[in-house]
Amino acid sequence: AQSVTQPDIHITVSEGASLELRCNYSYGATPYLFWYVQSPGQGLQLLLKYFSGDTLVQGIKGFEAEFKRSQSSFNLRKPSVHWSDAAEYFCAVGSNFGNEKLTFGTGTRLTIIP
Amino acid sequence: DSGVTQTPKHLITATGQRVTLRCSPRSGDLSVYWYQQSLDQGLQFLIQYYNGEERAKGNILERFSAQQFPDLHSELNLSSLELGDSALYFCASSVYGGEQFFGPGTRLTVL
Repeated sequence: AQSVTQPDIHITVSEGASLELRCNYSYGATPYLFWYVQSPGQGLQLLLKYFSGDTLVQGIKGFEAEFKRSQSSFNLRKPSVHWSDAAEYFCAVGSNFGNEKLTFGTGTRLTIIP
Repeated sequence: DSGVTQTPKHLITATGQRVTLRCSPRSGDLSVYWYQQSLDQGLQFLIQYYNGEERAKGNILERFSAQQFPDLHSELNLSSLELGDSALYFCASSVYGGEQFFGPGTRLTVL
């Protein structure tokens, strides 16, 4: 069965500092990987996705993520965070293309301090 | 705005009652997914429909059921409600394959 681990429940970063959120997955075949962001009281917005090809993927809002098969990881990065990035971030893995029910990690809450 | 709409936004009801949550997918999307988000269980996949047919089932209780109609909107029916059913229920849609776009959710409170 597929699973996702986000080891950091809560991260605090200064505005302007770099950010890396960790995600490890377990899946037998080539995974479909996603990062979503959820602001308080809001739905989930897709930041970026990895299906195949280039292992470094670019997303919206200046985020990027790198797929590392050898480490079963898909970490999310941003070179310089903004106060508006404060939110909950979820990593997810999808199953077979077309039947891609998502399995989510437990989320990482990001706090930005001035 | 993802293009996925969900109604109602909030729902407060009592234990033992039945409620229906509604979802309209993005224009052109044939797949609809339902997820439950709660503090103790996190985000969990419940069920998927594709063009009116059930495609995949996750951790959905027998008290819960769903369907997708010919116009592609979907409804999630929750019956014999318990306190533990209080959660945020999300609907998502996608074309066949590809990323899922999430609606704003329905917050269900069972008293």
